[in-house]
Amino acid sequence: GIQVEQSPPDLILQEGANSTLRCNFSDSVNNLQWFHQNPWGQLINLFYIPSGTKQNGRLSATTVATERYSLLYISSSQTTDSGVYFCAVGRGGSEKLVFGKGTKLTVNP
Amino acid sequence: KAGVTQTPRYLIKTRGQQVTLSCSPISGHRSVSWYQQTPGQGLQFLFEYFSETQRNKGNFPGRFSGRQFSNSRSEMNVSTLELGDSALYLCASSIDGPDNSPLHFGNGTRLTVT
Repeated sequence: GIQVEQSPPDLILQEGANSTLRCNFSDSVNNLQWFHQNPWGQLINLFYIPSGTKQNGRLSATTVATERYSLLYISSSQTTDSGVYFCAVGRGGSEKLVFGKGTKLTVNP
Repeated sequence: KAGVTQTPRYLIKTRGQQVTLSCSPISGHRSVSWYQQTPGQGLQFLFEYFSETQRNKGNFPGRFSGRQFSNSRSEMNVSTLELGDSALYLCASSIDGPDNSPLHFGNGTRLTVT
């Protein structure tokens, strides 16, 4: 099946810093989503982005499907950005969505 | 619009018992997917239901089952519980399915098996 690798596994930032999270995948996909899981376990959908670039406030994401990677940018980070960021990819049809192991982000005040 | 609602939030069961978890999707969403999250295995797909039919299934034993009702609400059942079934169980809904539309998760049910 498709493999998903996220990097870095852990990231510690000071409030106000910027960061880039990466998601590599092993095969072509037609579905890619980014999620944030807060310290209380709630998973929030950030982006549905099988290709191209999207922005939502301080967050933006870019997927380059032909090169099999996606990037999540967080600018001017806040303590509430702490948590684990997951990317999930899928090829459609009978194949399920596959989640990466996540990047654990800690933003210190 | 109300989000995805899962009940109960916490559950403690004894090995060998069975458990039923409930999920109410966002209004208008016809697809409900279930995931198991553990520290060791991460997020693993259990199954997906669409219009009362199981459309996709992960690699879990037959002790794990689910169903979807005509109002799109879904339940999953785990029979003969094992210690390894302790996990956070997450339900997610989407308009047409996780392949075609964004997934929206509920807050999860944390199951502890003793």
